[in-house]
Amino acid sequence: AQSVTQPDIHITVSEGASLELRCNYSYGATPYLFWYVQSPGQGLQLLLKYFSGDTLVQGIKGFEAEFKRSQSSFNLRKPSVHWSDAAEYFCAVGDTGGFKTIFGAGTRLFVKA
Amino acid sequence: NAGVTQTPKFQVLKTGQSMTLQCAQDMNHEYMSWYRQDPGMGLRLIHYSVGAGITDQGEVPNGYNVSRSTTEDFPLRLLSAAPSQTSVYFCASTVTSLSGANVLTFGAGSRLTVL
Repeated sequence: AQSVTQPDIHITVSEGASLELRCNYSYGATPYLFWYVQSPGQGLQLLLKYFSGDTLVQGIKGFEAEFKRSQSSFNLRKPSVHWSDAAEYFCAVGDTGGFKTIFGAGTRLFVKA
Repeated sequence: NAGVTQTPKFQVLKTGQSMTLQCAQDMNHEYMSWYRQDPGMGLRLIHYSVGAGITDQGEVPNGYNVSRSTTEDFPLRLLSAAPSQTSVYFCASTVTSLSGANVLTFGAGSRLTVL
């Protein structure tokens, strides 16, 4: 069965510093991969997605992610974090055989001044 | 467009009570789903529907019922609430595709507390 692991429950970075959030997936075929962001008290919003093609994908708010098949990873990066990036981030994988999207446990990002 | 609308936003129940969480979307999406969000566990799929009259179970369906009589609405029913159902519930929808390449549109969530 497909699964998603986000090893870091929470991360704290300084404003202006770079960010990398880790995501590992378990899936037999080529996965459909997503990163969603959840601001406090809000629903989830799509940051970016990978379906095929270029393994480096760009998203909104200056985020990017790189798909590495050999490492079963889809890490999220941002070169310079802003205080407004403080939120919870979820990695997810879509089931190519059906209609399910499976989410990781999430990583909460704290940004310090 | 309103997108995905969930009601109520907050609800407190006593053990054994029943209630329905409402979800409506105005985007003509065929696919709708319910997730619950618990600390440290991310979002877990409860039930989903790929069209009117069609529903299926997700990862954690026990204690919940759903039906899909129209494209727009996908209510989630708790027949006999238990404290373990205290959670934040999210409804999500998308245009159905033949693959898992579905970008979900989420509602704002419903926070349920069962005493």
